[in-house]
Amino acid sequence: EAGVAQSPRYKIIEKRQSVAFWCNPISGHATLYWYQQILGQGPKLLIQFQNNGVVDDSQLPKDRFSAERLKGVDSTLKIQPAKLEDSAVYLCASSLAPAGNEQFFGPGTRLTVL
Amino acid sequence: GDSVTQMEGPVTLSEEAFLTINCTYTATGYPSLFWYVQYPGEGLQLLLKATKADDKGSNKGFEATYRKETTSFHLEKGSVQVSDSAVYFCALGTGANSKLTFGKGITLSVRP
Repeated sequence: EAGVAQSPRYKIIEKRQSVAFWCNPISGHATLYWYQQILGQGPKLLIQFQNNGVVDDSQLPKDRFSAERLKGVDSTLKIQPAKLEDSAVYLCASSLAPAGNEQFFGPGTRLTVL
Repeated sequence: GDSVTQMEGPVTLSEEAFLTINCTYTATGYPSLFWYVQYPGEGLQLLLKATKADDKGSNKGFEATYRKETTSFHLEKGSVQVSDSAVYFCALGTGANSKLTFGKGITLSVRP
């Protein structure tokens, strides 16, 4: 079974530029998560989708971050404009259903904002 | 709000040593508790979990017991191997959507 796929694996941009990350969850997984992991910290949930609807985006900085999950499969996370403090690893995870199910994580995208 | 506190790291052990990594939590309600592991160059993966008080999760020789009275979920292994070198994250899951809250993680290095 293929795991969660993410691209790109690495991205370097200047501050104020825009960037987008892509995630393809495990086939059949209805729930998709985006996490931000700053160096030396644990992952922090940014947004959770159930199929193509948003379940929780309470920690998403909505003035600059946006995410969508069209058709309830792939998802894109965008940052516009980027700030220095956005440098982090962005992790995508998926699960069959939210309650009590294991989350499977992708390898992450490491973003460096200069 | 919910939070997870892990002991400060990094931790360096010799092969076959006993391992304990402390984890305590603060949560409303009755969370599920997890240990995730991140091996070098790989993504996070679930190591073990416990869903209610006094449950013991176990996998690959690692164990952790859900202690409600001390709000703890310490990770233990009797004899570590070099291949156990990784970053370990304690996490709790709450609510109908099983939102995960992670600790900071701790790096374990096992030397031959």
